[in-house]
Amino acid sequence: DVKVTQSSRYLVKRTGEKVFLECVQDMDHENMFWYRQDPGLGLRLIYFSYDVKMKEKGDIPEGYSVSREKKERFSLILESASTNQTSMYLCASSSTGLGGYTFGSGTRLTVV
Amino acid sequence: AQRVTQPEKLLSVFKGAPVELKCNYSYSGSPELFWYVQYSRQRLQLLLRHISRESIKGFTADLNKGETSFHLKKPFAQEEDSAMYYCATSPLSTDKLIFGTGTRLQVFP
Repeated sequence: DVKVTQSSRYLVKRTGEKVFLECVQDMDHENMFWYRQDPGLGLRLIYFSYDVKMKEKGDIPEGYSVSREKKERFSLILESASTNQTSMYLCASSSTGLGGYTFGSGTRLTVV
Repeated sequence: AQRVTQPEKLLSVFKGAPVELKCNYSYSGSPELFWYVQYSRQRLQLLLRHISRESIKGFTADLNKGETSFHLKKPFAQEEDSAMYYCATSPLSTDKLIFGTGTRLQVFP
């Protein structure tokens, strides 16, 4: 069974902390994505990557950065967590040209 | 910019009733369109995509370029269809998806 694994299901962090959300896929997919999911707003793209060491900004990159040192791993970094970053974070991967994402189970982050 | 609109936040029907979840897109070309579903406590998963023209779990969706719509339909709703449904589009020559705001479908017994 193909998998996208997000390291934490729930996280609680304090305002100002640096937060790392990890995502690993075992499907050899080229593309990886980070979304945040909020009620009434749907899924909004934060960052994505089409290749190792490559990253592109999505629609809401402010306050976030990413790292992709290996093909299978895509990390989302909150440089200084704020309460408005409390959300469900979803990682996804896909193979170029084939369409269709495989999603992780999500990380619910609460910033207090 | 490309956009996907799902006008209904919540759709409630009784078991056995027909269901139509609305999706409109803004794009001048030939978009790729998808429906994703998220059941309670499960991860988001692909339900269907328009280029495959297949029916999954009894759901179908037809691309109407004139109305720029990709509505999801099922003739007889089941309780297990209760979930969050997202319409999404992929700009040509990219692999990123733009999602709508989602519609929660509630099917009552």
